[in-house]
Amino acid sequence: EVQLLESGGGLEQPGGSLRLSCAASGFTFSSYAMSWVRQAPGKGLEWVSGISGSGGSTYYADSVKGRFTISRDSSKNTLYLHMNSLRADDTAVYYCAGMTHPLFPTVTPPANGYWGQGTLVTVSS
Amino acid sequence: IVMTQTPLSLSVTPGQPASISCRSSQSLLHSDGKTYLYWYLQKPGQSPQLLIYEVSSRFSGVPDRFSGSGSGTDFTLKISRVEAEDVGVYYCMQAIHLPFTFGPGTKVVIK
Repeated sequence: EVQLLESGGGLEQPGGSLRLSCAASGFTFSSYAMSWVRQAPGKGLEWVSGISGSGGSTYYADSVKGRFTISRDSSKNTLYLHMNSLRADDTAVYYCAGMTHPLFPTVTPPANGYWGQGTLVTVSS
Repeated sequence: IVMTQTPLSLSVTPGQPASISCRSSQSLLHSDGKTYLYWYLQKPGQSPQLLIYEVSSRFSGVPDRFSGSGSGTDFTLKISRVEAEDVGVYYCMQAIHLPFTFGPGTKVVIK
C-alpha cells in the first residue's frame, strides 16, 4: 500500500525557516516524480514545487521561487521542502503528492493519485 | 494556465445526477496523445483524492457513477447518481504546463 507521511510543520515567525519531510513507502520511490501542494485556510489548492524521480530536475511556482527548495533522498525514501524567508501568506496545509507530467515516465496508476495527509505550516509573529 | 470551473457550488438531491464543467486557457493535449486533465474530490477534513485522470479514466477504487469527458480545453465531470458520501469540493487540475494549476473548486452539498 502506498503511503506518504508528512512532518515538520509548525509555527514559525515571518522571515524564518522550516523543513518539511515526506516519508514514502509501498512503492519504488526513485521511479516517481514528486511534488508539494499547499492549501491556505479556507482556500483552494496551489501547486508549489516538483522534482523528478532522479532529483536532477526541480520546478517551482513563482510564489515560492528563490525561497523554497525541493529535494529528495532515495536512500531514505524521503521528500523534503526547505522553506526560507517565510511569509504570512505561506500559511497553509502542505501536502506531499506524486507528480505526473509528460516529461516523466508513465506509471500506472498515475503518480498524482497518491497524496499524504498534510502538515500545517503557520507563519505568524 | 488558468483553470475555471462552473458552477462554484452545487446542491444536489441524492440519487440525482450532477455535472461540473472545467475550462483551461490553453489546450491540455500533449504531442504524446494524452490530455493531462485530472479531477479531484476533497471531502471535508481530508486530503484531495484523485477521481479521474487523463480526462476520462477512473482511478483505482473510484465508483463507476463518476465519469469524465471532454477534449482540448473543455471538460466535464459527471456523477450519474449522487450519494451522500460525494459531498465535498471538486477540483480540476492541469498537469501539462508548469506550474500546474487547479480550478477554484466546486462545492457539492446534499439537499
